[in-house]
Amino acid sequence: AQTVTQSQPEMSVQEAETVTLSCTYDTSESNYYLFWYKQPPSRQMILVIRQEAYKQQNATENRFSVNFQKAAKSFSLKISDSQLGDTAMYFCAFHGQGGSEKLVFGKGTKLTVNP
Amino acid sequence: DTEVTQTPKHLVMGMTNKKSLKCEQHMGHRAMYWYKQKAKKPPELMFVYSYEKLSINESVPSRFSPECPNSSLLNLHLHALQPEDSALYLCASLPPGQGPNEQYFGPGTRLTVT
Repeated sequence: AQTVTQSQPEMSVQEAETVTLSCTYDTSESNYYLFWYKQPPSRQMILVIRQEAYKQQNATENRFSVNFQKAAKSFSLKISDSQLGDTAMYFCAFHGQGGSEKLVFGKGTKLTVNP
Repeated sequence: DTEVTQTPKHLVMGMTNKKSLKCEQHMGHRAMYWYKQKAKKPPELMFVYSYEKLSINESVPSRFSPECPNSSLLNLHLHALQPEDSALYLCASLPPGQGPNEQYFGPGTRLTVT
């Protein structure tokens, strides 16, 4: 069974600075998708960024980028120029391609951006 | 229409009540999900409907009863709940096509059982 580990329960960063959230996973599959979801306080969970395992190039979405290390099974999220609106729970998630429709979540990292 | 909607936003119910949660999407998605989420925890999968058929039931107690009347609508019927069932209930949907894809989440229903 797949597992996703987020080793940082809480993090904080100053506005305009850069922060990196860690995520490791375990799977025997060769092809899969990885996601970072953001859930602001009392607000909707939204997708931040996705990475397809067969693509070597790291995904980037504006201020958000990932460092995907397939051999190390690592998928960290870098947030540049942090903004107050980035304050949220961040969940790393894995979706295999073995026919399962399940999304496996990590326990989450609570990020606080301080002014 | 590119969103998942859920009603009601908030629900308070007694342990003897019967209530239902509703989820809708009009994006032609192929699967719909119910999750339960406690504060500061990841969502826990409850049920998955794939092409309107129940494909996954994560050993959820029978006091939770899902229903998928059509491809756009998902209900969760609640009966004789316990205080520990108080949580945020999230609905999500999955686009069509082969292979995995990101799930689209609704805003959730915050349920309080008294």
